[in-house]
Amino acid sequence: EPEVTQTPSHQVTQMGQEVILRCVPISNHLYFYWYRQILGQKVEFLVSFYNNEISEKSEIFDDQFSVERPDGSNFTLKIRSTKLEDSAMYFCASSERGGGLSSEFFGSGTQLSVL
Amino acid sequence: DAKTTQPPSMDCAEGRAANLPCNHSTISGNEYVYWYRQIHSQGPQYIIHGLKNNETNEMASLIITEDRKSSTLILPHATLRDTAVYYCIVRPIYFGNEKLTFGTGTRLTIIP
Repeated sequence: EPEVTQTPSHQVTQMGQEVILRCVPISNHLYFYWYRQILGQKVEFLVSFYNNEISEKSEIFDDQFSVERPDGSNFTLKIRSTKLEDSAMYFCASSERGGGLSSEFFGSGTQLSVL
Repeated sequence: DAKTTQPPSMDCAEGRAANLPCNHSTISGNEYVYWYRQIHSQGPQYIIHGLKNNETNEMASLIITEDRKSSTLILPHATLRDTAVYYCIVRPIYFGNEKLTFGTGTRLTIIP
């Protein structure tokens, strides 16, 4: 069964450092997403991406965050200068179509710890 | 914010049907009801969705009331692996609306 793959599974970084979280979406999917979940809290939408541009983003997704599809298979989330409050589980997801017309498939997540 | 109300927790005996309720009294005509689950901090997993008719797939059944103000997710023969947090999400379907808005869900515990 096709799946969304995320690397690394755990990332520890120092406050102020840049991190890049990587995702390989399902191959025929065209819509890509990042969500995050702070420990004990809800899963929160960060950003959606289609046709090489952001289609929707939340208030959380400020100038410190960026997304990129550098090649035909990877989808990355960069946090430019990490803060303690960025510590969370980050989930990548992909879907064949957008707007809720097809369901999203989620990866297993990257646990980011900012010290 | 989430437009649904779910009980915070439920238990169900292994092998029995698990019935998870969801209230969405302010749902509008173009909004679908989606169900996802999250097993122990893994990524959310899609289960099923529907607009107004009852739906069934290999994982579950979704029963939506005639007035669409509430629904029930049914796991017909619950196993220990169904222990998870279940999210009921109301979502309009249109391009440009990409986000899933998760609430706190129902923590379902399957009892051996």
